[in-house]
Amino acid sequence: DTGVSQDPRHKITKRGQNVTFRCDPISEHNRLYWYRQTLGQGPEFLTYFQNEAQLEKSRLLSDRFSAERPKGSFSTLEIQRTEQGDSAMYLCASMPGGAWETQYFGPGTRLLVL
Amino acid sequence: GENVEQHPSTLSVQEGDSAVIKCTYSDSASNYFPWYKQELGKRPQLIIDIRSNVGEKKDQRIAVTLNKTAKHFSLHITETQPEDSAVYFCAASKGSGGSNYKLTFGKGTLLTVNP
Repeated sequence: DTGVSQDPRHKITKRGQNVTFRCDPISEHNRLYWYRQTLGQGPEFLTYFQNEAQLEKSRLLSDRFSAERPKGSFSTLEIQRTEQGDSAMYLCASMPGGAWETQYFGPGTRLLVL
Repeated sequence: GENVEQHPSTLSVQEGDSAVIKCTYSDSASNYFPWYKQELGKRPQLIIDIRSNVGEKKDQRIAVTLNKTAKHFSLHITETQPEDSAVYFCAASKGSGGSNYKLTFGKGTLLTVNP
């Protein structure tokens, strides 16, 4: 499968715990995005990487959230001290470097904070 | 920032009928408008997109129209089939000229095609 992959697909955690999600983009896609999707809503932009550089963060990304893309390939999204409001689907997307390109989405990680 | 409004939120049609979903955007600098289909529990998948230098684009039963002056764009599905049932999202971005190409999505339309 050469598409975007995410791990884990599901995560249940207790409030206050830390969680980390991983995204493996399509090979050679240098642009990588994280979005959050809650029930009945469209995906909302969280953060963007071009290669290993994090170039934009949404105001939705509180200081409890951190994202990395250390070698310009896979990316991780960590949430510290999870809250019930963090329960959502976390989607990763990747895109080639040119203009007018398509963003390809991964299957998402569904997080439930109890 | 960009704001995308999408209507209707739910749409129910009979198999074979047409379906139309409409979106408006706020940022006149947006120039790329993709549509994604998301089936229950699955990833969003691109079904068609349009650039601001084009007024209409068609791919078999699916077409998208864009009115830059009014800042709205629409998805048209003809001869609907039960497998078209899904949530459809419109989105807007600056497809060229910077701003990182991030997508701003509408809230989605749940399309149900009744056999």
